[in-house]
Amino acid sequence: DIQMTQSPASLSASLGETVSIECLASEGISNDLAWYQQKSGKSPQLLIYAASRLQDGVPSRFSGSGSGTRYSLKISGMQPEDEADYFCQQSYKYPYTFGAGTKLELK
Amino acid sequence: EVQLQQSGPEVGRPGSSVKISCKASGYTFTDYVMNWVKQSPGQGLEWIGWIDPEYGSTDYAEKFKKKATLTADTSSNTAYIQLSSLTSEDTATYFCARPNYPGIPGWFAYWGQGTLVTVSS
Repeated sequence: DIQMTQSPASLSASLGETVSIECLASEGISNDLAWYQQKSGKSPQLLIYAASRLQDGVPSRFSGSGSGTRYSLKISGMQPEDEADYFCQQSYKYPYTFGAGTKLELK
Repeated sequence: EVQLQQSGPEVGRPGSSVKISCKASGYTFTDYVMNWVKQSPGQGLEWIGWIDPEYGSTDYAEKFKKKATLTADTSSNTAYIQLSSLTSEDTATYFCARPNYPGIPGWFAYWGQGTLVTVSS
């Protein structure tokens, strides 16, 4: 199985601060990567797919980048509603696998 | 509007089975596979597998091949997951999730609200 190593496990950001979350795949995944946001007690929401494509309706402060084995999610200007858990997921090979998650809190 | 409505919380005894439903609306049910994802308490996400409702074909993560059975009823636009031989490790929230595009099963754009399964004697 492809292992997805996500970092950091948690972080705290101030209002308006730019935040980055990283995901490292155990092998190349050819940009078959998605990012999800999950708020407490809710279902995950797709933010980014194909490594850098913004899902419809997602604010433009969210962006994704990367290639090969290294990918990142950037939030340009932390907002209170961005407080959540974030997960990466590869869909390059079965079984699909997720990162362990990053807990983002507002400082 | 695409909606995935899951059945309510389940309590199962160790060794028993439970079956969760996911009723789809707002799109053509047979155009998209349906995925299932497990989230253990306070833990991350695990992909269980998907079913193609049009053909009934399935694909499972190896870990879940003996645990989960995916089915679909096209007459009611409902997907199901049955979990068998329950143990405490099956206590989790289970989500159904539909991909963004037909033919690309892996990006989960629509999610059910989740169904909590508790295994308890």
